[in-house]
Amino acid sequence: DGGITQSPKYLFRKEGQNVTLSCEQNLNHDAMYWYRQDPGQGLRLIYYSQIVNDFQKGDIAEGYSVSREKKESFPLTVTSAQKNPTAFYLCASSPQGLAGRNEQFFGPGTRLTVL
Amino acid sequence: GENVGLHLPTLSVQEGDNSIINCAYSNSASDYFIWYKQESGKGPQFIIDIRSNMDKRQGQRVTVLLNKTVKHLSLQIAATQPGDSAVYFCAENETSSGNTPLVFGKGTRLSVIA
Repeated sequence: DGGITQSPKYLFRKEGQNVTLSCEQNLNHDAMYWYRQDPGQGLRLIYYSQIVNDFQKGDIAEGYSVSREKKESFPLTVTSAQKNPTAFYLCASSPQGLAGRNEQFFGPGTRLTVL
Repeated sequence: GENVGLHLPTLSVQEGDNSIINCAYSNSASDYFIWYKQESGKGPQFIIDIRSNMDKRQGQRVTVLLNKTVKHLSLQIAATQPGDSAVYFCAENETSSGNTPLVFGKGTRLSVIA
């Protein structure tokens, strides 16, 4: 059963703590992405990775970090430096551009709440 | 980013009517466009896509229209049903740049009135 999984679905964190969100895909996709979504708003890109051991900052990378040690995994760490981390976090992946298509497949999301 | 501080526009449609959701894009070099549907608390799901060598593409109850001259994209949903209630996002990409991220629009909330 192929797809993208994110865990946990809900995550609570105390202010000042780092927390890591998991994203795993078994679609053999090369590229992976992290987005943040605030209530009633669109998707904002945090980080993305086009190949293993390489990643680039998106529009709102400050206060976040990522790693891409394996093709199937792209964990996101929300650090204490992120001033307003409460949000819905979405992970996505896409295959290497196939015939001019760059469809991104999304996971179910993790809702992070900072207490 | 462009989405900061903005709330989603809402389109209210009577059940059974057709819905038209519009999207403007900015990059004239974009050659791939996609529509996603996002239900509350879930990740976005693919609806339909279109490449720039086409101006219309049809799926099941959905049609995407692309007007490259004015950089405009629209999603038409026929015979709208309550299950169509969701937020709809358009996204664009310049595929010649490789696996770069899609650029998402602001999103439109579709509310179906039974």
